[in-house]
Amino acid sequence: QVQLVQSGAEVKKPGASVKISCKASGYTFTYHYVHWVRQAPGQGPLWMGLIIPEDGRTTYAEEFRGRVTVTRDTSTSTVYMEVDSLTSEDTAVYYCARERPYGGKYFFDHWGQGTLVTVSS
Amino acid sequence: DIQMTQSPSSLSASVGDRVTITCRASQTISSYLNWYQQKPGKAPNLLIYAASSLQIGVPSRFSGSGFGTDFTLTISNLQPEDFATYYCQQSYNNPPHFGQGTRLEIK
Repeated sequence: QVQLVQSGAEVKKPGASVKISCKASGYTFTYHYVHWVRQAPGQGPLWMGLIIPEDGRTTYAEEFRGRVTVTRDTSTSTVYMEVDSLTSEDTAVYYCARERPYGGKYFFDHWGQGTLVTVSS
Repeated sequence: DIQMTQSPSSLSASVGDRVTITCRASQTISSYLNWYQQKPGKAPNLLIYAASSLQIGVPSRFSGSGFGTDFTLTISNLQPEDFATYYCQQSYNNPPHFGQGTRLEIK
């Protein structure tokens, strides 16, 4: 069965970086785009960016461009997201999600379990 | 960016009730609208895609409709496990914004 398993919770100080992993299994890794979504406490989900596992191309939301880097390792079917220059506003649960295309558009049919990142001095 | 606005932000209902949640897009998105359910401490779970297509495994008491800018999610015969937060999301273009959510609570 399709699974996305994320790395564990992180506690970081302001100004630090964090790198979260998302290991995919149960499907052909290069066939589906992987997106990152974050959810701050009490807020709705916020899209951050995506990676095309087949060739590594990325697209980022404008507010995260230059501060977020998404990469992948096809040998281990793992996607990584690194967020730099953390502030308290980056405290959130971060999710990876698999894209399932339809009719040229898409939905997220499988999600990781989430990784809580806490930024605190 | 296409903004998504849900209403109401919260809703109280009883087991067995029928409820409707609405989602409005800031510009037309055809039928590229998805609905998710989220329970505390869990990832969102896909219910409906393409405005009205039921995801495999989702009970038939969930239904979606709409086109263009206005969409609805209807839950008939509410069950105890349906009390959760619901989000719409557009996939017409990037960024695929979500609505702010509708929290469905037990009356």
